[in-house]
Amino acid sequence: GDSVTQMEGPVTLSEEAFLTINCTYTATGYPSLFWYVQYPGEGLQLLLKATKADDKGSNKGFEATYRKETTSFHLEKGSVQVSDSAVYFCALSDPGFQKLVFGTGTRLLVSP
Amino acid sequence: EAQVTQNPRYLITVTGKKLTVTCSQNMNHEYMSWYRQDPGLGLRQIYYSMNVEVTDKGDVPEGYKVSRKEKRNFPLILESPSPNQTSLYFCASSLSAGSSYEQYFGPGTRLTVT
Repeated sequence: GDSVTQMEGPVTLSEEAFLTINCTYTATGYPSLFWYVQYPGEGLQLLLKATKADDKGSNKGFEATYRKETTSFHLEKGSVQVSDSAVYFCALSDPGFQKLVFGTGTRLLVSP
Repeated sequence: EAQVTQNPRYLITVTGKKLTVTCSQNMNHEYMSWYRQDPGLGLRQIYYSMNVEVTDKGDVPEGYKVSRKEKRNFPLILESPSPNQTSLYFCASSLSAGSSYEQYFGPGTRLTVT
């Protein structure tokens, strides 16, 4: 079945450092890809998405590009802030969208 | 304010005592679903509903029931909870099924079964 693999965390960075969180997927069809963010004590919020190959999703300084050839959707940000500390989930949905398939999540800790 | 609400937020109960976690959305969304979040496993779908009176199993439905009698509500029922159902539960909704529609998540319900 479809699956998503994320890098293990926690990822610990200093403020203004460059962030990459790796995400690869396995899917039989042509899924849409998502990054969700979960701040402490809250539910998940959609951060960005891409629906077809070579699409780039972006929001709040975060970017991810849908790479079909490498089945990847890595999350990047050029300069992280303390307020970016959260758990980040990569996810996919099949074209029929009965559900989202999530990775295990990566905790990001940003120190001043 | 557009939102998905869940109650209770925290619940500690004992094995076998029936419980219901409520979920309500005020956005007139057709699609609703329940997920559980466990360390090292991410979120897994329990049940989903495409519309009123239409529900179906997700990946981990054993031990759970749901109902969708009204569009706004999608309660999760544990008839006889067991310790392996200790988890963080999220309800989600979207305007319709389909990846172009954003999923909105509730704040979560942390359930402990002793």
